[in-house]
Amino acid sequence: DAGVIQSPRHEVTEMGQEVTLRCKPISGHNSLFWYRQTMMRGLELLIYFNNNVPIDDSGMPEDRFSAKMPNASFSTLKIQPSEPRDSAVYFCASSLIDRGGGTDTQYFGPGTRLTVL
Amino acid sequence: GQQLNQSPQSMFIQEGEDVSMNCTSSSIFNTWLWYKQDPGEGPVLLIALYKAGELTSNGRLTAQFGITRKDSFLNISASIPSDVGIYFCAGPIIQGAQKLVFGQGTRLTINP
Repeated sequence: DAGVIQSPRHEVTEMGQEVTLRCKPISGHNSLFWYRQTMMRGLELLIYFNNNVPIDDSGMPEDRFSAKMPNASFSTLKIQPSEPRDSAVYFCASSLIDRGGGTDTQYFGPGTRLTVL
Repeated sequence: GQQLNQSPQSMFIQEGEDVSMNCTSSSIFNTWLWYKQDPGEGPVLLIALYKAGELTSNGRLTAQFGITRKDSFLNISASIPSDVGIYFCAGPIIQGAQKLVFGQGTRLTINP
């Protein structure tokens, strides 16, 4: 079975350019999460969606970041304009909401390593 | 906000040795999760704990949910080279929540 798919795996861009990261969640999952990982701050949740609707975007660093989920099988995280401090590994994760009120297992993609020069 | 503190931050051991690491919080957690991240990959869930005092095993891995609900421990017995990676503890911000907070990780290096 295919896991979470992210593209590109690596992205190198120049400051000021627009960057779009893509994610395909596991088929049948109804929650999708975007995380950012850096040495200084560790793994941080940026935003998550339930049934394609953004639920909590309080982790999005600033207005330069935006995320969309137009359908159940695709999401994008866009940075415009990009800055060197955005350099990090960005992970997408998906899960199936636990109707019993428990904590769902989140399955992570392989990540996109972004370098902004 | 809630923070999870992991120790040690890094470990250098010989193959075959047992490993112990822990995770503490100033707040109570009702669920503890342990993830492993291989180099160049995303984290993978190893063990989930749901009750105080619970002891759960997954192969050579054993994790415990502390009685105070403010800590958790992960042990690896008879380490092998593929155990190399970063181990993260995590937990939901509030019970049943989807939003997780992660510890800063314990990096495990194994000398063959």
